Amino acid sequence: NAGVMQNPRHLVRRRGQEARLRCSPMKGHSHVYWYRQLPEEGLKFMVYLQKENIIDESGMPKERFSAEFPKEGPSILRIQQVVRGDSAAYFCASSPPVGETQYFGPGTRLLVL
Amino acid sequence: GQNIDQPTEMTATEGAIVQINCTYQTSGFNGLFWYQQHAGEAPTFLSYNVLDGLEEKGRFSSFLSRSKGYSYLLLKELQMKDSASYLCAVRERGGSYIPTFGRGTSLIVHP
Repeated sequence: NAGVMQNPRHLVRRRGQEARLRCSPMKGHSHVYWYRQLPEEGLKFMVYLQKENIIDESGMPKERFSAEFPKEGPSILRIQQVVRGDSAAYFCASSPPVGETQYFGPGTRLLVL
Repeated sequence: GQNIDQPTEMTATEGAIVQINCTYQTSGFNGLFWYQQHAGEAPTFLSYNVLDGLEEKGRFSSFLSRSKGYSYLLLKELQMKDSASYLCAVRERGGSYIPTFGRGTSLIVHP
């Protein structure tokens, strides 16, 4: 039973480029959450999605960031025109119906040069 | 919103017992989670408390007092592999039930 999958595990981008982070939830899970973690800081919630719906994006910056969870395929967190401050670990978590425990993927470490 | 407080760092000796505290302030408590995170890895679920009292799971136990806004994670018979960050997360009623994470407590276990 595969856990939450994320790819790539490491991503290097130059300022101004686009970053695409992918997340495949655990089998049977239909809820996906994206978090950002900076060194020495806690996990910061960004966005919560169900299939084809954004449920809560209160933690996601209004500009340059977007997320989707299509009917088929993984959830994608997209960061346009990356800046150095976007360098962080981005974790995806999934759960069955809302309110259940979240299970985390291994994360994508984004480095912006 | 929530205000979650945990110590930044703790050290302990292999074989000993350590207690990691978490205090929180919330307008509508709906559960508290503890996660373990090794450096460079994903957080892994340890425990969930929604009612007052102690939940024991092997070497790890978690306690909750809702009236005091307080929880602790107790680790017994410490092993070197327990060196990790321990994250406390609190969920509120209403909204989308997303838990808010504290900054984590970095535990160093030495021989």
